[in-house]
Amino acid sequence: KAGVTQTPRYLIKTRGQQVTLSCSPISGHRSVSWYQQTPGQGLQFLFEYFSETQRNKGNFPGRFSGRQFSNSRSEMNVSTLELGDSALYLCASSLEASGGQETQYFGPGTRLLVL
Amino acid sequence: GDSVTQMEGPVTLSEEAFLTINCTYTATGYPSLFWYVQYPGEGLQLLLKATKADDKGSNKGFEATYRKETTSFHLEKGSVQVSDSAVYFCALGLRSGGFKTIFGAGTRLFVKA
Repeated sequence: KAGVTQTPRYLIKTRGQQVTLSCSPISGHRSVSWYQQTPGQGLQFLFEYFSETQRNKGNFPGRFSGRQFSNSRSEMNVSTLELGDSALYLCASSLEASGGQETQYFGPGTRLLVL
Repeated sequence: GDSVTQMEGPVTLSEEAFLTINCTYTATGYPSLFWYVQYPGEGLQLLLKATKADDKGSNKGFEATYRKETTSFHLEKGSVQVSDSAVYFCALGLRSGGFKTIFGAGTRLFVKA
């Protein structure tokens, strides 16, 4: 079974631009979450989607948004990029079969550099 | 709030040495506990997990036991290899409406031949 895939793997943007990152979960997984990883702040939760609805949200400004499609694929968007948005953005998927505790499986990440 | 604290690195060991990386957590409810590993330039890989008190997770020679009384989930390996060099993250999984994972800061491990 294929793992979580993320595109693109690397991205360079300039301040003020916007960016869209894509994530395809493991087949059959219905929950998709996004995380930001930086050397200073570590791994921080952005948001989680299930059945095209955002169920959970971290403490990030409104410039960070996401969505999920009917096939469970997800995109996240960052508008008006700032230098501090440079990070590795990780997507994770989980089965969400029983409503209990889930294991999240991570993709390789998209490394975003804002100049 | 919910949080994970793990020992600061880097940790430098010689091959075949014993490894312990300490991890403690604060959480409401009944979280699952995880150890993830990140190799250079890669995403996170699940190393092991435990879903309830006294459960022991194990994989590739690594072990960790869910200790509710001490709110700990320490990672151990009896004999490390150079290939174990990576960053290790302790994490807890919470269900509050949706589901999210809260990570520790990570511990970098260097293993010398």
